Amino acid sequence: NAGVTQTPKFQVLKTGQSMTLQCAQDMNHNSMYWYRQDPGMGLRLIYYSASEGTTDKGEVPNGYNVSRLNKREFSLRLESAAPSQTSVYFCASRGDSGDSNYEQYFGPGTRLTVT
Amino acid sequence: GEDVEQSLFLSVREGDSSVINCTYTDSSSTYLYWYKQEPGAGLQLLTYIFSNMDMKQDQRLTVLLNKKDKHLSLRIADTQTGDSAIYFCAELPGGYQKVTFGTGTKLQVIP
Repeated sequence: NAGVTQTPKFQVLKTGQSMTLQCAQDMNHNSMYWYRQDPGMGLRLIYYSASEGTTDKGEVPNGYNVSRLNKREFSLRLESAAPSQTSVYFCASRGDSGDSNYEQYFGPGTRLTVT
Repeated sequence: GEDVEQSLFLSVREGDSSVINCTYTDSSSTYLYWYKQEPGAGLQLLTYIFSNMDMKQDQRLTVLLNKKDKHLSLRIADTQTGDSAIYFCAELPGGYQKVTFGTGTKLQVIP
């Protein structure tokens, strides 16, 4: 039981390049999330998916797209990277009403630098 | 709107108690959480409190909730160097979908 896994762990991109961050969970959770973490700003929600086949915008969706490929996987794509997207990206998943506290489980993060 | 605020930094001596404070704005919040983030890692749930509770104790951790003032605190008794981390409070509103996280409080424990 690996929990939430993310790849890659580190990435450096040039402005204008594209890339996809991968996330997978093996806990059979319906809900999955992508956050970015910047110093002094906490975690900000980029996109989330309440179930397979659905996605919704969060607080800071501009410049990103997502795909909920199946129940396990939720990917985040940067089509044309900008220096403002330099950040640490976290994927999370969450159980539903059958669980006691709606705890979110986080992946280890992807550190992205855009030059 | 939803806004969760925390002070950015707290420094305590090993063995003392630490109190980390948080204010939130969504009165419909059902669950309030404290997550811990160690350097280079993701967040891990430390403890949580349901909105109909005033206090919850879990070993060295005590969570206090003041719903009237929308104030949440985390007290760590006998703080150890291993408690050095960033602590995030978070709220889950009644829609049960999107958790809002605070800015995080970096706890430094001085030996």
